[in-house]
Amino acid sequence: EAGVVQSPRYKIIEKKQPVAFWCNPISGHNTLYWYLQNLGQGPELLIRYENEEAVDDSQLPKDRFSAERLKGVDSTLKIQPAELGDSAVYLCASSLDRETGRTEAFFGQGTRLTVV
Amino acid sequence: QQPVQSPQAVILREGEDAVINCSSSKALYSVHWYRQKHGEAPVFLMILLKGGEQKGHEKISASFNEKKQQSSLYLTASQLSYSGTYFCGTEARGTSYGKLTFGQGTILTVHP
Repeated sequence: EAGVVQSPRYKIIEKKQPVAFWCNPISGHNTLYWYLQNLGQGPELLIRYENEEAVDDSQLPKDRFSAERLKGVDSTLKIQPAELGDSAVYLCASSLDRETGRTEAFFGQGTRLTVV
Repeated sequence: QQPVQSPQAVILREGEDAVINCSSSKALYSVHWYRQKHGEAPVFLMILLKGGEQKGHEKISASFNEKKQQSSLYLTASQLSYSGTYFCGTEARGTSYGKLTFGQGTILTVHP
């Protein structure tokens, strides 16, 4: 079974430019997460989807960040415009839902963003 | 508010044991443990629910004290492959389901 797939793995952009990250979760996983991880820190939740619905986006900086999950499968996270402080690893994860009792999250390899 | 992990770092020789602690200021529904190697994705180890203990690996186990809002990860007879950063993720009661808040991590280094 394929794991969570993210692309690109690495991205270098100049500040004020837009950038987008793509995530394909594990087949059948209803819940999808986007996390931000700074060097030496634990992942921080940006947004969580249950199928197509964003059920928790309280920590997403909505002035520059946006996300979508069309058809409840793949998801895209966008930053426009990017700032120097956005340099980090962006992780996507997916999990089954509470009804199945399987709530552990499986992470993708992440996208390392460098804003110069 | 993120859970607090201790110690921040630990260095072992192969075969030695280690304990990593995770403490939260909030009442918890579950605790998840992950290991992340440098440049790789966090890998799920195990989940603990409502004071129960679920053993995910042969020599890695964990406990969950609901009353104290604490969890401990036990690594016995450590192997070189155990090296990495260990994170606990807590799901607090009263928050939306599935919202994990991660600790700052514990760096574990195992030497031959």
